[in-house]
This record gives sequence, C-alpha cells and structure tokens, in this order.
Amino acid sequence: AQKVTQAQTEISVVEKEDVTLDCVYETRDTTYYLFWYKQPPSGELVFLIRRNSFDEQNEISGRYSWNFQKSTSSFNFTITASQVVDSAVYFCALSEKNTNAGKSTFGDGTTLTVKP
Amino acid sequence: ETGVTQTPRHLVMGMTNKKSLKCEQHLGHNAMYWYKQSAKKPLELMFVYSLEERVENNSVPSRFSPECPNSSHLFLHLHTLQPEDSALYLCASSHSGRREYYGYTFGSGTRLTVV
Repeated sequence: AQKVTQAQTEISVVEKEDVTLDCVYETRDTTYYLFWYKQPPSGELVFLIRRNSFDEQNEISGRYSWNFQKSTSSFNFTITASQVVDSAVYFCALSEKNTNAGKSTFGDGTTLTVKP
Repeated sequence: ETGVTQTPRHLVMGMTNKKSLKCEQHLGHNAMYWYKQSAKKPLELMFVYSLEERVENNSVPSRFSPECPNSSHLFLHLHTLQPEDSALYLCASSHSGRREYYGYTFGSGTRLTVV
C-alpha cells in the first residue's frame, strides 16, 4: 500500500526566508512517481513537478527546488526567498505504476503562510 | 484555463434538492477522478474512472452518484445531501495505462454548501 506523510501541518515564515516542506512516502513498488501540487486560496490545485523513481537528480526551477532521496524515501520541496504569493497549501503525492488508472495518493498537505 | 473545466463554481442546495456537478476535459486524458476536500481536511478520493469505466468507489454514500458518459465528461449527481457534505469538490484527469504518469490536471472545483 502506498502512503504519503507531510508531517508539517502549518508553516509560517516572513518574506524572503527560505522554507522547506517535507514529504516522506511509503511504497513497495520499484517504479513510482512523485508529485508536488500547490493549492492557492482560489482552490484549484496546480501541478508543480513530477519525478519518477529512477531519476534521483535534484531539480531547480527558479526559486523552487526539490530534493529526492530514495534512501530516506523523501521528496522535499524548498522555496528560496519566499514571497507572499507563495502562501498556499502544498500537497505531495505518489502514484505507483500498477495502481488503478494511475491514481495518486496525497499527503494531508502543508499550509504555508508567508508574511510581509 | 487549466484544461479541466468544472461547473458550477459555487452551488447552494437544500437537503431535498437534486443537482449535478459537471467536469469536462479536452486534454486527451482517459482517466478522471472526483475528490472531496472538506475544510481543514485532506483530499478524499471518491471515484475513479478509467476509459469510462468506474474502477474505484471509496465507500461513498449512495446520495453521490457518478456518471462518465465519455472520456471527456464526468458528472457527480447529488440528491438528499446532508450539511456535512458541504465541501470543495474537485475533478481531475490524467493519462492512464501508459508507460509513464504525468500527474493530474485539476479543475477549479465546485464549492458546495448544503443548507
């Protein structure tokens, strides 16, 4: 069975601080996919990144970076120089290759508040 | 536009009403999902459709009835709901059965209030 844990329920930072959102996952499959989504106050979840289990290369996209470590089953997300617009709920998700219709299991989400 | 369109955006209904939520995608995806998100609660998967066939139903009460007439459309029919059913209902679509998964594309959601 697959499981995603986001231990941080809420995080509050001041603008320009760096912040890391943690994600730990459990799976028995050797082939799986990890995702991060952002849900701003408007409600719509927006896809941020996908990583497959064979690609442990870290990725940077502007102020966003992701650290994938299979040894610790973690896929953490760092925002550098945070901005007020980064305030949102962030979800980590996992899809095993053989699940129903590519279904994803989501973590409970981390609410990030960036104060000016 | 996200590629997944949900209507209506907001819905207020009485407990004796019947209403339907609509989801439409033209991304060429062949899997569609309904999720429920209550206040301060995680995403709850309700239904999964793959190639227009329901492949998963997560113990959802019968007052919620999904319908997938084709690969581009998904409905959630609602009747005799309870106040605790008030929530944000999210539709998503994805590729299914391929060698790789590209994740979900979500709609903007329907904010449902049952009075």
